[in-house]
Amino acid sequence: NAGVTQTPKFRVLKTGQSMTLLCAQDMNHEYMYWYRQDPGMGLRLIHYSVGEGTTAKGEVPDGYNVSRLKKQNFLLGLESAAPSQTSVYFCASKPRAGGHQPQHFGDGTRLSIL
Amino acid sequence: GQQLNQSPQSMFIQEGEDVSMNCTSSSIFNTWLWYKQDPGEGPVLLIALYKAGELTSNGRLTAQFGITRKDSFLNISASIPSDVGIYFCAGQSLRAGNNRKLIWGLGTSLAVNP
Repeated sequence: NAGVTQTPKFRVLKTGQSMTLLCAQDMNHEYMYWYRQDPGMGLRLIHYSVGEGTTAKGEVPDGYNVSRLKKQNFLLGLESAAPSQTSVYFCASKPRAGGHQPQHFGDGTRLSIL
Repeated sequence: GQQLNQSPQSMFIQEGEDVSMNCTSSSIFNTWLWYKQDPGEGPVLLIALYKAGELTSNGRLTAQFGITRKDSFLNISASIPSDVGIYFCAGQSLRAGNNRKLIWGLGTSLAVNP
């Protein structure tokens, strides 16, 4: 059971390039989340999804887009990367049932924008 | 965005010492979660608290959900070198429209001197 898998693990981009980060979970979870983690800022929610085909904005959505075409996958896109988007990106998922279920995290994608 | 007040920001202790950290909020939460993050990895859940006043242990770790539902603490007894990492608290309210989003503390960085 792999849990939450993020690809790639590392990436370096030039300003203006685009890329997509993939999150895959094999736990049949309904909810999925994308966070960014920066020094001194903790975890900040970018976008999230409460089910297949549905996405919503989080705390810091500007410059990012997401898609949830399949229940197990949650994609985070950067259309035109900026140095301010240099960060570590974490994906998480949780089941809908019970409401109190904790989020399970992937190991992160380290992204540098030059 | 809304964040929890987590303290202390960092700790440097001797192996064998006990550790205490806490989180406070101006909002009421229905769930408190404590995560640990090792370098290069995603946060991993340590303890989940679901009821005001609840005291839960996980090995050498003990956490409590404050009676006012606005605070929580985490204690680590007899620290060992592998306790090194960043500890995060997170709170969740079940208000309508919350969509299971977590509010995160900024973390407590723990260093243990063998």
